[in-house]
Formats: sequence, C-alpha cells, structure tokens
Amino acid sequence: QQQVKQSPQSLIVQKGGIPIINCAYENTAFDYFPWYQQFPGKGPALLIAIRPDVSEKKEGRFTISFNKSAKQFSLHIMDSQPGDSATYFCAASRDSGNTGKLIFGQGTTLQVKP
Amino acid sequence: NAGVTQTPKFRILKIGQSMTLQCTQDMNHNYMYWYRQDPGMGLKLIYYSVGAGITDKGEVPNGYNVSRSTTEDFPLRLELAAPSQTSVYFCAIQGPDTEAFFGQGTRLTVV
Repeated sequence: QQQVKQSPQSLIVQKGGIPIINCAYENTAFDYFPWYQQFPGKGPALLIAIRPDVSEKKEGRFTISFNKSAKQFSLHIMDSQPGDSATYFCAASRDSGNTGKLIFGQGTTLQVKP
Repeated sequence: NAGVTQTPKFRILKIGQSMTLQCTQDMNHNYMYWYRQDPGMGLKLIYYSVGAGITDKGEVPNGYNVSRSTTEDFPLRLELAAPSQTSVYFCAIQGPDTEAFFGQGTRLTVV
C-alpha cells in the first residue's frame, strides 16, 4: 500500500513555466512533509519542507501548498529553469521531522526545456 | 568534511553471493538510515539506527542485516543476493535540528 501517492510520474515544461507536482497521503498522523530534489547519480537533497499548521511555504522559486482537510500537498516551481531538471520526491513522516524515517512518493521526473 | 561516504559506488553480484555496503559519516550524528530506490517506486527504508548499538527494521528489511558498533559506521549486509535486491542504495544521516542528509548511493546489480 502506497501511503504517499505522487503525480505525475513525469513532466515537461518550457523555461519560465510553472510545473506543479502533487502528493496525497492517507495517514493523518503524518506531521512533516518534505520535498527532495535528486539529480542523476546523486542522492536526494532536501528542497523545502512544511508542517501541517501552515497552508503555504515559499523558499525562493519553490512553494509548497498544503491542504490538510484534503490530505494533499503540492510543489510549485516558479519561473522554472533548465537547471531545475531533476527528479522530485515528496515525503512524509510522523516524527515532526526529528528523524529521517520518511515515507516517499514515487517520484516525478521534471524536464525543463530551454 | 565529507558528510556521508558510501562505498562501493557500483557493484555487480551473482545470485547467492554476499556483500557489505559501507556507510561512514564524519558529522557525529546519532541517526543513520539505509534506503533503497527502485524505478517508479521512490525510496523505501530498509533499516535505521538511533545510536551506536541500536538498530531497528524499516519498511523493507527482509534479506538485509545491519550493525552499528560505532557512531561513524552503519554497514548494510546482504547475505544471499537475489535479483530482487538489484537497486540503488542510499545511506542517510540526521542530527538534532537538522534534516536527513543522503549519501551519493551504491548501485547494485544482482545477476
């Protein structure tokens, strides 16, 4: 059973576009929702994270929107650049982010065309 | 200060062989984790450790063993390699008030 479902599996946008990646979760005990960015041949790296007491968080061009009642959260990349081409994973945990015991989504491969 | 070092980077094993994936950290963090990454499946937690001498199972522990005799090292052991263990393995660390930090990964193929 996939506790965190991510979509789409892949995404292609033009430079300057706003790709949106969506995740849905089932376990209401989750209380920490990070997004990771992974480049080929590298490990995942934390991009941005949110806790369920806020509905939106922005860091630079990256924004997380969080809908607690719908149990959904999404990543928006503003003014996307070719350098943003990577695989993105949403994740969730029950430990307020205090441990690295994460449940990951399936991943979205993003390609930003110049 | 390398953070997390995983060795080897690549390995091909024959079915039934055994091997140990090494993970070493120089951050003195208590928490260490092993994840496996399969295409289209995201990452899944195999084992984790909250400190030297303490280990526990994650989501997919079958076929693997771990030990944590020191804070720095958290090796992952495959005793009887199977094709289903073909994957990319990531070690991660986490300290107080920090996020999980992943190593560069070990790509394992079992043939």
